[in-house]
Amino acid sequence: QSVLTQPPSVSEAPRQRVTISCSGSSSNLGNNAVNWYQQLPGKAPKLLIYYNNLLPSGVSDRFSGSKSGTSASLAISGLQSEDEADYYCAAWDDSLNGWVFGGGTKLTVL
Amino acid sequence: EAQLVESGGGLVQPGRSLRVSCAASGFTLDDYAMHWVRQAPGKGLEWVSSISWNSGDIAYADSVKGRFTISRDNANNSLYLQMDSLRVEDTAVYYCVRGVGDLRGGALYSWGQGTLVTVSS
Repeated sequence: QSVLTQPPSVSEAPRQRVTISCSGSSSNLGNNAVNWYQQLPGKAPKLLIYYNNLLPSGVSDRFSGSKSGTSASLAISGLQSEDEADYYCAAWDDSLNGWVFGGGTKLTVL
Repeated sequence: EAQLVESGGGLVQPGRSLRVSCAASGFTLDDYAMHWVRQAPGKGLEWVSSISWNSGDIAYADSVKGRFTISRDNANNSLYLQMDSLRVEDTAVYYCVRGVGDLRGGALYSWGQGTLVTVSS
């Protein structure tokens, strides 16, 4: 069971918008920034969002992130078939003294 | 272009040791905290260990504490993970990750392609 809670799966049609939630506690999301990762099938994870809402160079602005209290969300607009992947949230946990991840959310573009 | 290349994975028996390495290129290793993250087959991501730029701050997941040792050689732009007393449940792809910001709360910024470690008799 993961420290951060994500829905196992989400689905939406092409060109639509989808959000993925990530729920934590005061020791992780409540006190530290959230980062989001995309893992395409058979590939290494790739950073999508860091420090809650910053986009690394080269990441499409169709991706956006937000955080409020102990919850965070990743939004993907203008869905494309190539967005089909697993998405993970992560944050440092002050109580566990380590990085914690969500269990991952599988996005299906219908 | 910044690149991380892991090596040293393979098949090892339970109770034995293995060292995986990560060669960094395209950037200066000693500017960054570094991390190891693993992923068991068909499972999610699990943080393993982190080390600050000067090795002065190190953290381990409880699942590997006392068995794994992280180290770095900035002069040779390399990161290592020494894994002792390996267990079947350590079977995973091990990713080398360059951090940004603090070891404790920055971001796991860029990832290598991973090396597969299989622990089996």
